[in-house]
Amino acid sequence: EVQLVESGGGLIQPGGSLRLSCAASGFTVSSNYMSWVRQAPGKGLEWVSVIYSGGSTYYADSVKGRFTISRDRSKNTLYLQMNSLRAEDTAVYYCAREKYPYAFDIWGQGTMVTVSS
Amino acid sequence: DIQMTQSPSSLSASVGDRVTITCRASQSISSYLSWYQQKPGKAPKLLIYAASTLQSGVPSRFSGSGSGTDFTLTISSLQPEDFATYYCQQSYSTPRTFGQGTKVEIK
Repeated sequence: EVQLVESGGGLIQPGGSLRLSCAASGFTVSSNYMSWVRQAPGKGLEWVSVIYSGGSTYYADSVKGRFTISRDRSKNTLYLQMNSLRAEDTAVYYCAREKYPYAFDIWGQGTMVTVSS
Repeated sequence: DIQMTQSPSSLSASVGDRVTITCRASQSISSYLSWYQQKPGKAPKLLIYAASTLQSGVPSRFSGSGSGTDFTLTISSLQPEDFATYYCQQSYSTPRTFGQGTKVEIK
């Protein structure tokens, strides 16, 4: 079965760090474009970051310099390292596969990140 | 960045109604436009990609049209399970951007 399963969310204080994981099954993470998309409580969807199959990475301006996307081929897992967290980073974080013509066709169930003191 | 604007932000409709949601891009995105359905507490679900191609397993009452800057999602006969929030999203360029969403509620 093709699926994505996120983990690593939780409550963290402002300025803290957290690493999210997204384990894939049924397909190879490193052969696909993989993104993180977040959704603040009661708000819409916001794209956060992408890693292309070739390894190039891109970030939304709101997280550039603070978040790092990466992948582990041996574990078939996508990661999002989040540093210097702010209250406005509070959201459900989804990982998603991007399939040509670059639609998000597979989504994880989401993991909640709450940044609060 | 390409801005995506959906209208309306919300609508009330009855089972069996024909529903149309529009999405406008701030510049031409060719046909790099997708539509998603999201229900409360759930991940978004891909309905349509490349502006008009139905994702596998999605009922044929959903359809999409448009190219360039103006796009439409149509539900031909609204069913109880269709009450949800719908988002458009462009994949023409990075950063990927979403519309603000259209909430379809029961009248």
